[in-house]
Amino acid sequence: GAGVSQSPSNKVTEKGKDVELRCDPISGHTALYWYRQSLGQGLEFLIYFQGNSAPDKSGLPSDRFSAERTGGSVSTLTIQRTQQEDSAVYLCASSLMPILGNEQFFGPGTRLTVL
Amino acid sequence: AQTVTQSQPEMSVQEAETVTLSCTYDTSESDYYLFWYKQPPSRQMILVIRQEAYKQQNATENRFSVNFQKAAKSFSLKISDSQLGDAAMYFCAYRSGPGNQFYFGTGTSLTVIP
Repeated sequence: GAGVSQSPSNKVTEKGKDVELRCDPISGHTALYWYRQSLGQGLEFLIYFQGNSAPDKSGLPSDRFSAERTGGSVSTLTIQRTQQEDSAVYLCASSLMPILGNEQFFGPGTRLTVL
Repeated sequence: AQTVTQSQPEMSVQEAETVTLSCTYDTSESDYYLFWYKQPPSRQMILVIRQEAYKQQNATENRFSVNFQKAAKSFSLKISDSQLGDAAMYFCAYRSGPGNQFYFGTGTSLTVIP
């Protein structure tokens, strides 16, 4: 009965380093979403997975950002050559199926700080 | 393009009183859903209430209700009998289309005064 989990909860890195953020969705949820929440801003959509495929990558801000999902479960968001403007909270959400009215269940997020 | 606007960055309410948070959106779609999410300091986003655009009746969940005005593209959240635990950021969100991504407003920070 666990909810969506994300790791690490906090990550501090130096500019130029690569980081990996992990999301474990609720078991059985086929849809998985990544969002970015900058200070004072709403949530910015990054990417959506249905199973292991990503029909919508339109929100990825640059080619330094990539994501994958394996086994229809765990997803990893990778940011290469991090920049200070990448500092934000990265939220993951999952839903049973990508149906319009279905609730998305959110994880607690990973706070990324790029020095 | 779909946009969601929350024009109140901060609101406060006395405990046990009623407060209304505003949200407007822009869309050319006919079928969509609207949501209010709550984000306490723990960062965990929690669904408060949802409304389907085709339903004329306003959604209600205990102390939370919405005033959905489709023609005006307005979707406000009313919190009755406010409690200290209601203090949080509240995000309005819109969802439609094959991508099913959410579009979020910038949020309203609600303070509950004891």
